[in-house]
Amino acid sequence: KAGVTQTPRYLIKTRGQQVTLSCSPISGHRSVSWYQQTPGQGLQFLFEYFSETQRNKGNFPGRFSGRQFSNSRSEMNVSTLELGDSALYLCASSLVLGTRLNEQFFGPGTRLTVL
Amino acid sequence: QKEVEQNSGPLSVPEGAIASLNCTYSDRGSQSFFWYRQYSGKSPELIMFIYSNGDKEDGRFTAQLNKASQYVSLLIRDSQPSDSATYLCAVVSGGSYIPTFGRGTSLIVHP
Repeated sequence: KAGVTQTPRYLIKTRGQQVTLSCSPISGHRSVSWYQQTPGQGLQFLFEYFSETQRNKGNFPGRFSGRQFSNSRSEMNVSTLELGDSALYLCASSLVLGTRLNEQFFGPGTRLTVL
Repeated sequence: QKEVEQNSGPLSVPEGAIASLNCTYSDRGSQSFFWYRQYSGKSPELIMFIYSNGDKEDGRFTAQLNKASQYVSLLIRDSQPSDSATYLCAVVSGGSYIPTFGRGTSLIVHP
């Protein structure tokens, strides 16, 4: 079974631009979560989607948004990029979030650099 | 605010020794506990999960949970240089079911 895939793997953008990242979960997994990982803050939860609905949201500004499609693939968008948005963005999928068995499996991540 | 605390390390152990990684959490309602391993430049990889008090063993790994004391630990027996990585503890509470991650402990296993 194929794992979680993320595209692109690397991105370089300049301040003020916007970016869209894509995530394809493991086949059959319906929950997709997004995380930002930086050396200073560690792994921080952005949002979680299940059946095309955002069910949970972390403490990030509205510049960070996402969506999920009917095939469970998900995208996240960051508008008006700031230098502090430079990070590794990780997507994680799980079979069903909201049950006890909610092990999450991470994709390889997208390394975003904002210049 | 739910908090998960880990010693950042590095924890340095010789090859063949037992590495002990600890994690404490603040939310008494926490239900599920996970350990992830993250190699430098890679994404986290799930290695263990535990839901009930006590020990859970999987190969060289043992997860220990003590809900009364609000800590969870990971023991790695017969540590190998390939175990050198950052180990992240994640705790899930009821309600949102979103994991809260600790900052991770860096483990170095030297030959």
